[in-house]
Amino acid sequence: SAVISQKPSRDICQRGTSLTIQCQVDSQVTMMFWYRQQPGQSLTLIATANQGSEATYESGFVIDKFPISRPNLTFSTLTVSNMSPEDSSIYLCSVEIRLGGSYNEQFFGPGTRLTVL
Amino acid sequence: TQLLEQSPQFLSIQEGENLTVYCNSSSVFSSLQWYRQEPGEGPVLLVTVVTGGEVKKLKRLTFQFGDARKDSSLHITAAQPGDTGLYLCAATQGQGAGGTSYGKLTFGQGTILTVHP
Repeated sequence: SAVISQKPSRDICQRGTSLTIQCQVDSQVTMMFWYRQQPGQSLTLIATANQGSEATYESGFVIDKFPISRPNLTFSTLTVSNMSPEDSSIYLCSVEIRLGGSYNEQFFGPGTRLTVL
Repeated sequence: TQLLEQSPQFLSIQEGENLTVYCNSSSVFSSLQWYRQEPGEGPVLLVTVVTGGEVKKLKRLTFQFGDARKDSSLHITAAQPGDTGLYLCAATQGQGAGGTSYGKLTFGQGTILTVHP
């Protein structure tokens, strides 16, 4: 598996500001993902972040709102820009690791709980 | 895009009871993963199933993968309050060279399980 940390663990922000969330993993990984989750609900993929290439965004998510950096194989950031209360959510990063055989597995960070006032 | 139907959405039972959570799709899965998530934490991977008809056991948890790789179930025997949490199934969409499975996950809607002492 992998040990994944996220900073900050939670934050309360004002409308119109931006917050950058950091994701650090203890091993080099090619594929990292960013998700959004409402408490008690399922996860929605925001984007896939591969080192050395532009992030790939899912339908409904755009780079101007959620810029992503992936400077190396162990680190990524997600910025939530020009925040509104609708952006209040839990943001999770994950990494994909091949543990053997013909399939890969994803492991998640602890999440960042964001509240926008 | 694969659509995963997970049921039931909510489950409230007494300690010692058995329960089953289902995950179904009209599409064939490359592989399927089950996660458990507690409040304030990220999802924790429980198991990955990749072979049609596969059965995996993790203590009191039994995971089955349908023969056609379109459905899966999670059965918990003699549930305990410590089993309380959000259970999520997730399937990979990607299929790489040589039959490997990789890429972004599609999640089911989740099952909130509450086990009362």
